[in-house]
Amino acid sequence: DAKTTQPNSMESNEEEPVHLPCNHSTISGTDYIHWYRQLPSQGPEYVIHGLTSNVNNRMASLAIAEDRKSSTLILHRATLRDAAVYYCIHNQGGKLIFGQGTELSVKP
Amino acid sequence: KAGVTQTPRYLIKTRGQQVTLSCSPISGHRSVSWYQQTPGQGLQFLFEYFSETQRNKGNFPGRFSGRQFSNSRSEMNVSTLELGDSALYLCASSHTLAGGGYEQYFGPGTRLTVT
Repeated sequence: DAKTTQPNSMESNEEEPVHLPCNHSTISGTDYIHWYRQLPSQGPEYVIHGLTSNVNNRMASLAIAEDRKSSTLILHRATLRDAAVYYCIHNQGGKLIFGQGTELSVKP
Repeated sequence: KAGVTQTPRYLIKTRGQQVTLSCSPISGHRSVSWYQQTPGQGLQFLFEYFSETQRNKGNFPGRFSGRQFSNSRSEMNVSTLELGDSALYLCASSHTLAGGGYEQYFGPGTRLTVT
């Protein structure tokens, strides 16, 4: 199964932007890139997804490299409630393959 | 809309027993997926059901099985429980997004402890 590679952990200050990187060098041409996050004691929560173009929604932005081998999730202004584990995932026809994720901590 | 519900939320079983977990998807969602989450292995895909048919399957032994009913509710069963089956079992329902891709909505999970 295709895997993604993310840093184990990152730190951010409140109100500052956060860039969470992900490598997905084995992604196929039709796999969507999804980002989910998991807050403590909760199930994962959808954040954003894309295929080739950069995407924006109310939660975040997703920047996808031209060769699609990497992407970056951008939280424009981190809040304490954004502290979570962020997963970058291949969507292989509805089958989500989770990596280990990046644990984001946000300092006040 | 009500979210994904899973029952029971907590369960304690003994090695060798079997267990059935239940998941009710969001109304209108026809796809239900199951995941196992452990501290060591993280989130691992078990299987996906769509319109009562298994559409995708992960790399788990045959002791793990599932089914989906005509109302899209799903159950997963684990037979001959082992200590290593202790985990949080998550269910997710999904619908296809405009432009492609899926957005999965996860339930709170069932915490299974095998003693």
